[in-house]
Amino acid sequence: DVKVTQSSRYLVKRTGEKVFLECVQDMDHENMFWYRQDPGLGLRLIYFSYDVKMKEKGDIPEGYSVSREKKERFSLILESASTNQTSMYLCASSFGRGQPQHFGDGTRLSIL
Amino acid sequence: GQQLNQSPQSMFIQEGEDVSMNCTSSSIFNTWLWYKQEPGEGPVLLIALYKAGELTSNGRLTAQFGITRKDSFLNISASIPSDVGIYFCAGPSIQGAQKLVFGQGTRLTINP
Repeated sequence: DVKVTQSSRYLVKRTGEKVFLECVQDMDHENMFWYRQDPGLGLRLIYFSYDVKMKEKGDIPEGYSVSREKKERFSLILESASTNQTSMYLCASSFGRGQPQHFGDGTRLSIL
Repeated sequence: GQQLNQSPQSMFIQEGEDVSMNCTSSSIFNTWLWYKQEPGEGPVLLIALYKAGELTSNGRLTAQFGITRKDSFLNISASIPSDVGIYFCAGPSIQGAQKLVFGQGTRLTINP
């Protein structure tokens, strides 16, 4: 079974802090994704990566950056956290084009 | 752009009832995916469909890939309390098949 592991289930940070969310997958998947999920807005893609050191903006990249130095690890960075970034963050990975994505358990991030 | 419309948005049923939900689009999809998300967890892949007309089962769940390629259906037979959650349909984006387009979800509530 595919395992996507997010480093924290719950995280509380303060406005202005630099925040790192980590995601690791164990299936040698090419593609990795970061989403945020808010009530009434569904799943929104922040960034994705289709190879090591490659990244592409999703639908809502503003205020975020990402890093993929190794194939199995994809990090989401909030450069200067703001209260409107309080949300559920979901990481996913997939093997290739048209293949299903497999999700981690999510990180519920609160910015105070 | 591509959109997936799920219906109904929410369902309130009695334990033991059968459930039907669907997902429609104005665009053709070559793959249909169904996910379930339980409260506080990440989405879990239930069924993947790759061929028009395909009917696939996973236990009490059955999903069909519509022959027009513009819709898909998910049925749950003899519902039980652990079926509670949000059910999402998804399909590859024309903007890059690594990405998925998600429906807004059908929230299922079961009265014991």
